[in-house]
Amino acid sequence: EVQLVESGGALEKTGGSLRLSCVASEFNFIDAWMTWVRQAPGKGLEWVGRVKSKIDGETEEYAAPVKGRFTISREDSKNTLYLQMNSLRTEDTAVYYCTTDDGRLWGQGTLVTVSS
Amino acid sequence: DIQMTQSPSTLSASIGDRVTITCRASQSIGFWLAWHQQKPGKAPKTLIYQASNLESGVPSRFSGSGSGTEFTLTITSLQPDDFATYYCQQVSGYPRTFGQGTKVESK
Repeated sequence: EVQLVESGGALEKTGGSLRLSCVASEFNFIDAWMTWVRQAPGKGLEWVGRVKSKIDGETEEYAAPVKGRFTISREDSKNTLYLQMNSLRTEDTAVYYCTTDDGRLWGQGTLVTVSS
Repeated sequence: DIQMTQSPSTLSASIGDRVTITCRASQSIGFWLAWHQQKPGKAPKTLIYQASNLESGVPSRFSGSGSGTEFTLTITSLQPDDFATYYCQQVSGYPRTFGQGTKVESK
């Protein structure tokens, strides 16, 4: 089955760090541009950032609220996407989804809670 | 950034109704639009990609149309499983942006 499975969500204090992972199954992860999207409690969907495939340069783009604090990376040998989150703020509290860049495939999400 | 505006924000409908949701982009995005359905506590599920292409396994009562700046998601005969929140997403430029969502609720 084609799927994305996120993990790593947790309760963390403001200023702390977390790393989320997303493992892809049964699709061509190596050639896929991958994205993180988040959803704060009771709110809409917010794009976090994207990493291109290695063959396309593996470059990243980020949304303004996370730029300089979050880093997206990938490990193609493990079909895994990462989101390193540093200097966490309470407003980063959300469910984080791993998706393909074209928005067609979504993981089930992992909850990050940031508390002071 | 490309702003995506959905209307209405909430829609009350009955089983069997024809339902239409509109999404407008602040600049032309060609056909680069996806529609997602989300139920409470669940991940979004993609219904439509590239404005009018139905994802595999999605019932044919769902359809998408439009190009440029104006897009429509139509449900021809609303079913009980369709009560949910629907989001449009432009995949033309960065940052990717979403509409604010349309909640379809039971009348």
